Amino acid sequence: GAVVSQHPSRVICKSGTSVKIECRSLDFQATTMFWYRQFPKQSLMLMATSNEGSKATYEQGVEKDKFLINHASLTLSTLTVTSAHPEDSSFYICSSDPRSTDTQYFGPGTRLTVL
Amino acid sequence: QKEVEQDPGPLSVPEGAIVSLNCTYSNSAFQYFMWYRQYSRKGPELLMYTYSSGNKEDGRFTAQVDKSSKYISLFIRDSQPSDSATYLCAMSQGGSEKLVFGKGTKLTVNP
Repeated sequence: GAVVSQHPSRVICKSGTSVKIECRSLDFQATTMFWYRQFPKQSLMLMATSNEGSKATYEQGVEKDKFLINHASLTLSTLTVTSAHPEDSSFYICSSDPRSTDTQYFGPGTRLTVL
Repeated sequence: QKEVEQDPGPLSVPEGAIVSLNCTYSNSAFQYFMWYRQYSRKGPELLMYTYSSGNKEDGRFTAQVDKSSKYISLFIRDSQPSDSATYLCAMSQGGSEKLVFGKGTKLTVNP
């Protein structure tokens, strides 16, 4: 099956600092990756669609200058939360869609806590 | 009306029971239907994937799609405590189109 990894699994940072989260496709090439945020007891909210070699597409209400996405290779996309604040504390999950499957496989998620 | 409606539960059943989970949707353009299982503090895990209408079975799990009623179901037979998780339905129009998720149903199977 398609395997997606994320790093780190958990991060705690101080308010005002930036945090980078990596999402890797381990056994397939990912032209497109998706970034989601999930608050406790809520469903996944799509933040942005990351396209290899081009700019990400952000969902309405998501600040692109705060959540920087880079998809420089077919196996790696990164999400940087800039100037993080406590309200950015959440579970961030990436996914990708192997071309042959028409569905999405998710990474294990990154729990961000901003103090 | 939300695009995808899913009863959040919680749903509590005894071990061995048959569990029925379902979602309704409003967008007739959806073609791909998925069920994900999410354990606490983990990423969603793909359980079942169905294209268009029909049934699909995989072990103890059966997924049903009725596009005429815009209704999808997931059945779990002989439920086990390890099935305790949140189950999310998701659907899309296809290709690399974004998934639209239900809110998830929290299931507890009691030994």
